[in-house]
Amino acid sequence: AQTVTQSQPEMSVQEAETVTLSCTYDTSENNYYLFWYKQPPSRQMILVIRQEAYKQQNATENRFSVNFQKAAKSFSLKISDSQLGDTAMYFCAFMNGGSARQLTFGSGTQLTVLP
Amino acid sequence: KAGVTQTPRYLIKTRGQQVTLSCSPISGHRSVSWYQQTPGQGLQFLFEYFSETQRNKGNFPGRFSGRQFSNSRSEMNVSTLELGDSALYLCASKEGAGVATYEQYFGPGTRLTVT
Repeated sequence: AQTVTQSQPEMSVQEAETVTLSCTYDTSENNYYLFWYKQPPSRQMILVIRQEAYKQQNATENRFSVNFQKAAKSFSLKISDSQLGDTAMYFCAFMNGGSARQLTFGSGTQLTVLP
Repeated sequence: KAGVTQTPRYLIKTRGQQVTLSCSPISGHRSVSWYQQTPGQGLQFLFEYFSETQRNKGNFPGRFSGRQFSNSRSEMNVSTLELGDSALYLCASKEGAGVATYEQYFGPGTRLTVT
């Protein structure tokens, strides 16, 4: 079974600064997908960024980028130029490429952007 | 396209009752997954449906069941409610069941409170 670990329950960052959220996972699979989801106070789960394990290049979506270290089984999220709207719970999630059916989530990191 | 919709948004039930939650996926999406979110257990996978068939099931008791209709809408049912079933129930849809369509999009959730 896969496990996803987020070791930072809470983090804060000043507006316009950069912050990095950590995530590690454990799997014996070689083909899988990794995701970061954002859950603001509205509770709507929003997909932030995704990474295919077979791709060496780190994914980037505007101000969001990842540092994917496959050998270390690490998948961190970097948020640049933090905005007040980035305040949310961030979940790291794993999906096995073989079944491609269910997401395994970490426990989440509550990020607060300070004005 | 309209997003994933879930009804009702809020629900209060009494122990021992049963409840049915509904989820309408994004138009064209044929896979629907359900997740339970609680403060203690985090986000946990319940089950996935594709083409009216349950494809995968999480580690939940038989009191939790679901089904999918020919229009891809899905319902989940919880019988003999327990206090521990109080949670946010999230539905997610994706286009298909294979690895080529792995991105899941979430609905706003149904907040179930059992008293």
